[in-house]
Amino acid sequence: SQKIEQNSEALNIQEGKTATLTCNYTNYSPAYLQWYRQDPGRGPVFLLLIRENEKEKRKERLKVTFDTTLKQSLFHITASQPADSATYLCAPRGVSSGSARQLTFGSGTQLTVLP
Amino acid sequence: DTGVSQDPRHKITKRGQNVTFRCDPISEHNRLYWYRQTLGQGPEFLTYFQNEAQLEKSRLLSDRFSAERPKGSFSTLEIQRTEQGDSAMYLCASSSYTGDNYGYTFGSGTRLTVV
Repeated sequence: SQKIEQNSEALNIQEGKTATLTCNYTNYSPAYLQWYRQDPGRGPVFLLLIRENEKEKRKERLKVTFDTTLKQSLFHITASQPADSATYLCAPRGVSSGSARQLTFGSGTQLTVLP
Repeated sequence: DTGVSQDPRHKITKRGQNVTFRCDPISEHNRLYWYRQTLGQGPEFLTYFQNEAQLEKSRLLSDRFSAERPKGSFSTLEIQRTEQGDSAMYLCASSSYTGDNYGYTFGSGTRLTVV
């Protein structure tokens, strides 16, 4: 069955450093992959989308890479700030039919940026 | 139009009761999704509408669950004969036809507690 794994442990980093979050997937080939931010008690907020034919995508301090050979996406936040503290979700979208084609979310990585 | 609205924000119900949640998507969005999220997990896909047509349903959606989007605008999710295992955050999201590029816009969710 399709499986998505994100950093199993919470990630704590010092303000100003670069945070790197990992998303690994198995048993399917997503057409694209999205990253979302979720704050406690709120719905996820869309950050970035990267397609299978793109190696890298940037938006301000955010950078996403997508390696279809390794079946992995990396999400980087440079010059991190305490306001970046949140749970980050990766969401590959499959190409199969039916509900398997819908956006499927990993369990998320909780990031804490320490001042 | 300030985003996706969900009502109520919180619902406590006794086991065996029926509950109904409402979602008002962004008015220009023709696609609407329901997800369920439990603590420490990512959102799980439940069902998807394009306009008023329910096009996909997850195997997670048992016979006790039903969703409608009568005029292609707001949607309702009903759970009959609630069970304690139904306790979760129910998230609604919407997207436009080109939503693949812009991600999904989520509401803040309805937190259901079954006692």
